[in-house]
Amino acid sequence: EIGLTQSPGTLSLSPGEGATLSCRASQSVSSNYLAWYQQKPGQAPRLLIYGASSRATGIPDRFSGSGSGTDFTLTISRLEPEDSAVYYCQQYGSSPRTFGQGTKVEIK
Amino acid sequence: QVQLRESGPGLVKPSQTLSLTCTVSSGSISSGSYYWNWLRQPAGKGLEWIGRIYLSGSTDYNPSLNSRATISLDTSKNEFSLKLSSVTAADTAVYYCARAGTMVTYVGPFDNWGQGTLVSVSS
Repeated sequence: EIGLTQSPGTLSLSPGEGATLSCRASQSVSSNYLAWYQQKPGQAPRLLIYGASSRATGIPDRFSGSGSGTDFTLTISRLEPEDSAVYYCQQYGSSPRTFGQGTKVEIK
Repeated sequence: QVQLRESGPGLVKPSQTLSLTCTVSSGSISSGSYYWNWLRQPAGKGLEWIGRIYLSGSTDYNPSLNSRATISLDTSKNEFSLKLSSVTAADTAVYYCARAGTMVTYVGPFDNWGQGTLVSVSS
């Protein structure tokens, strides 16, 4: 089973600033099959990024993903108030599918 | 736009079996282009994948559930279901159904989710 560790636990930033979220895997993620999700309170997660760097349908270009192997990053540029959420990384290169523990992004 | 919706009892007694159904609308579960998944999230905690099923009936489960989970498909009703046996308080969570696209040997991320349903395990 591939373990995913996200950092930091919480980010507190102002609107317009940029956010950098990290996801580190315990072993290499096959074919960089790494996804990022956004979850707001009381809602289901929403797919943001797949294949480490491809944006899902309808996702603004403020959201970008990068990385390969065991180290991946989600970057949110020009933060907006509606970006306040918990962000999860998830690997889908092997079974069982696993998630990181999440990074909470707070907008001041 | 396909929609998924979970349904089932919100309260289950310890040692009993939790049963949930996910109804798929505006899309066919028989398309063969997707795997159909169950996931869960305890209050204030992270996400856990429970397992998945394909149109052929092929299933794959998370070993952490110790063989307690069973996922089945009913194409006539365009729905799939989860049964989780011998539940304890640790199984209390919001349960989600979700879709993952597939092509040949590739199975993608979870691109469409239900809104989730809270199941509490308590006597």
